[in-house]
Amino acid sequence: DTGVSQNPRHKITKRGQNVTFRCDPISEHNRLYWYRQTLGQGPEFLTYFQNEAQLEKSRLLSDRFSAERPKGSFSTLEIQRTEQGDSAMYLCASSAPGAGGYGYTFGSGTRLTVV
Amino acid sequence: AQSVTQPDIHITVSEGASLELRCNYSYGATPYLFWYVQSPGQGLQLLLKYFSGDTLVQGIKGFEAEFKRSQSSFNLRKPSVHWSDAAEYFCAVGQAGNMLTFGGGTRLMVKP
Repeated sequence: DTGVSQNPRHKITKRGQNVTFRCDPISEHNRLYWYRQTLGQGPEFLTYFQNEAQLEKSRLLSDRFSAERPKGSFSTLEIQRTEQGDSAMYLCASSAPGAGGYGYTFGSGTRLTVV
Repeated sequence: AQSVTQPDIHITVSEGASLELRCNYSYGATPYLFWYVQSPGQGLQLLLKYFSGDTLVQGIKGFEAEFKRSQSSFNLRKPSVHWSDAAEYFCAVGQAGNMLTFGGGTRLMVKP
């Protein structure tokens, strides 16, 4: 069990470009969550999956954002036409079934800088 | 809507001194409450959680927290702080199976 893995660790992109992040959860965890954390703030919920189904999305997840979890394994988060306001740390977490709904394990995050 | 307030943005304590980090929440039902710690450039690590039962919960690294329903608080405490405890601490409230709502965090600095 290597924990939750996120790639890349850092991404610098020019405004208007598309970016994609990947999250590999702990293998037996069926729930996967994405959060966004801006500098000096707590993480904010974006979306979560149970297996391959996306069950909830925050209003923070504008139409430029899309998340997928094909086959209920890894997940990707894509941001299209990036804006400077998208600069943040994007955190992924996973949790096991029956863990009282929790027992989140967070990854180390992907830090996005939009220039 | 649920919300979490951490009134102290920064706290500095001397190594060996006691610590208390404040957390107040707003939630209509019985809350699920959490404390996480985040070291620079890292993800969040769960320190402890409260679901029900005993209102004093023990966590990892010598931390404990007390749930006080009458005050809508869930303060984190440690009797003797170590230099390695310097980090950012987040309180969170949530519902089973769904998202967590985090406070803005408290940055802890430890003086030698």
